[in-house]
Amino acid sequence: EIVLTQSPATLSLSPGERATLSCRASQSVSTYLAWYQQRPGQAPRLLIYDATNRATGIPARFSGSGSGTDFTLTISSLEPEDFAVYYCQQRSDWPPFTFGQGTKVEIK
Amino acid sequence: EVQLLDSGGGLGQPGGSLRLSCAASGFVFSNYAMAWVRQAPGKGLEWVSTISSRGGSTYYADSVKGRFTISRDNSKNTLFLQMNSLRVEDTAVYYCAKDPYYESTGYYTDWGQGTLVTVSS
Repeated sequence: EIVLTQSPATLSLSPGERATLSCRASQSVSTYLAWYQQRPGQAPRLLIYDATNRATGIPARFSGSGSGTDFTLTISSLEPEDFAVYYCQQRSDWPPFTFGQGTKVEIK
Repeated sequence: EVQLLDSGGGLGQPGGSLRLSCAASGFVFSNYAMAWVRQAPGKGLEWVSTISSRGGSTYYADSVKGRFTISRDNSKNTLFLQMNSLRVEDTAVYYCAKDPYYESTGYYTDWGQGTLVTVSS
């Protein structure tokens, strides 16, 4: 089973700042990696798939990069609605599909 | 607009059973693979099970294999999760999720609102 490790666990930033979230895989997942956003009390929302592709309706301030074992989600300028928990997920070697433990982006 | 309405959650006894449903609308249900993903209270996301568009292929997490059964009724646009031999550690919000393809890609473009399953004596 592929283990995804996200860092940091919590990121404290102010609106307008840049957020950089990391996801590391225990073995190569090529570019078969997605990012989801989950706001409190809501279902997750797909942001990025195949490491770099924005899902439908996702603002351009969200971008993904990486391949192999190291991936990054960048939010170029935080909006108030971006304070949430973010999960990475791999689909390279399944079952199972696995998720990282999440990174919480909180208001500083 | 895609809509997924999860239902069937509630209080279950250890060793007991529950059946979850997900009513789909706004898309051609029979064209897409579907999945269940769960989230224990205060914890992260865990993939549970996936079914292909016609129901011919099913997959399970090891934690539920042999206890849970995923199925679908394409004539009624509904996804199911039969949960047997419930354990305390099955306590979670269960989300149904839509895959963007007829076979599973593992990416979920749309999610239900979730239904809470609590397993306790």
